[in-house]
Amino acid sequence: EVQLLESGGGLVQPEGSLRLSCAASGFTFSSYDMSWVRQAPGKGLEWVSGIGGSGGSTYYAASVKGRFTISRDNSKNTLYLQMNSLRAEDTAVYYCAKVEAAVGIDYWGQGTLVTVSS
Amino acid sequence: QPVLTQSSSASASLVSSVKLTCTLSSGHSSYIIAWHQQQPGKAPRYLMKLKSSGSYNKGSGVPDRFSGSSSGADRYLTISNLQSEDEADYYCETWDSNSRVFGGGTKLTVL
Repeated sequence: EVQLLESGGGLVQPEGSLRLSCAASGFTFSSYDMSWVRQAPGKGLEWVSGIGGSGGSTYYAASVKGRFTISRDNSKNTLYLQMNSLRAEDTAVYYCAKVEAAVGIDYWGQGTLVTVSS
Repeated sequence: QPVLTQSSSASASLVSSVKLTCTLSSGHSSYIIAWHQQQPGKAPRYLMKLKSSGSYNKGSGVPDRFSGSSSGADRYLTISNLQSEDEADYYCETWDSNSRVFGGGTKLTVL
């Protein structure tokens, strides 16, 4: 059974930093691209960042480029999102997602809430 | 980069059927999309992959009541025999070489 378990969310002040983690199990982690998707309160889904299976390719939405860094440790089956220079508009539930090639996102984590406020 | 357009809301009666639409932007009508369901207070759940040909592949455990179809740039999600638990937000998703994009979502109300 595929499981994605996010952690690391919380309350952070503007301009602060936070690192999210996503522990994956139930599939060969290194064989799949992964993504982070967020959802601001009462809003729709917004893709944030993606990474290839080997970690060699990374992609970012324009809204987070230069502030967020996606990475993965395939030896630990864990996906990360380092978030710096956080802004109020980054407040959202952040979901970890497994990507199946030519299918799209086929599994979602339960999400972790990030609140940016003074 | 493709853009996906969805109606903001839809409603239908219990045990009836509803057809939700996701429209791809000009020049992207051949793209594959995925449909996701998000019940209130829960994480999204993958429903199916849908090709421009209309063929679709559902995720594990998705009821037979859910089906997909396509016409040109439009991708449809049809839910038959509506149940109360189908009341949810429905999102379409697509992607290109270096990004993913979601439609704005359709809030489905079951009357």
